[in-house]
Amino acid sequence: DGGITQSPKYLFRKEGQNVTLSCEQNLNHDAMYWYRQDPGQGLRLIYYSQIVNDFQKGDIAEGYSVSREKKESFPLTVTSAQKNPTAFYLCASSRNLNQPQHFGDGTRLSIL
Amino acid sequence: GESVGLHLPTLSVQEGDNSIINCAYSNSASDYFIWYKQESGKGPQFIIDIRSNMDKRQGQRVTVLLNKTVKHLSLQIAATQPGDSAVYFCAEASKAAGNKLTFGGGTRVLVKP
Repeated sequence: DGGITQSPKYLFRKEGQNVTLSCEQNLNHDAMYWYRQDPGQGLRLIYYSQIVNDFQKGDIAEGYSVSREKKESFPLTVTSAQKNPTAFYLCASSRNLNQPQHFGDGTRLSIL
Repeated sequence: GESVGLHLPTLSVQEGDNSIINCAYSNSASDYFIWYKQESGKGPQFIIDIRSNMDKRQGQRVTVLLNKTVKHLSLQIAATQPGDSAVYFCAEASKAAGNKLTFGGGTRVLVKP
């Protein structure tokens, strides 16, 4: 089945550690996105990529980094510089920026 | 509707009744709008979208209405079912802002049997 796969579903981070969240899509979509969702709130854009080897900062990029070496993959690294990383992280993809985004089922990150 | 912290606006509706979820947006340049449904612990699921050259669009049991004059978007769900219980988000985008989606705070819909 075509879709977006995020892993792991739950992730725990120690203080000072970097962690990487995986996002893979087999929809042949050019654009991919990372959002952060805090309890009871909407989604905020962290980073997005329109095409391989290109990505742009979203509204809350500080403390995060991404790469887009392959069309199918858009991993997000939560660095130690992100002081409040506990959240639900959602990855999405779309054919291009002007088309509906389709979401994975998220990774919940917690701090130990 | 917009949320404040953990307190999402909640719409309680009787099973079988119609639901109307409202969303106000502020950017008059927004030209693309989407409604998503999010169940607990899952990612948002696309419901329906509409572009600014239309004021109404219908899907299966859902209708989206767009009033550009007052910058208002609504989602109507006909014959609401228990499976419709979820949080609903509207999102808007504009070419001027690079077509990036901006999400509203969400509305929780609770369907009473």
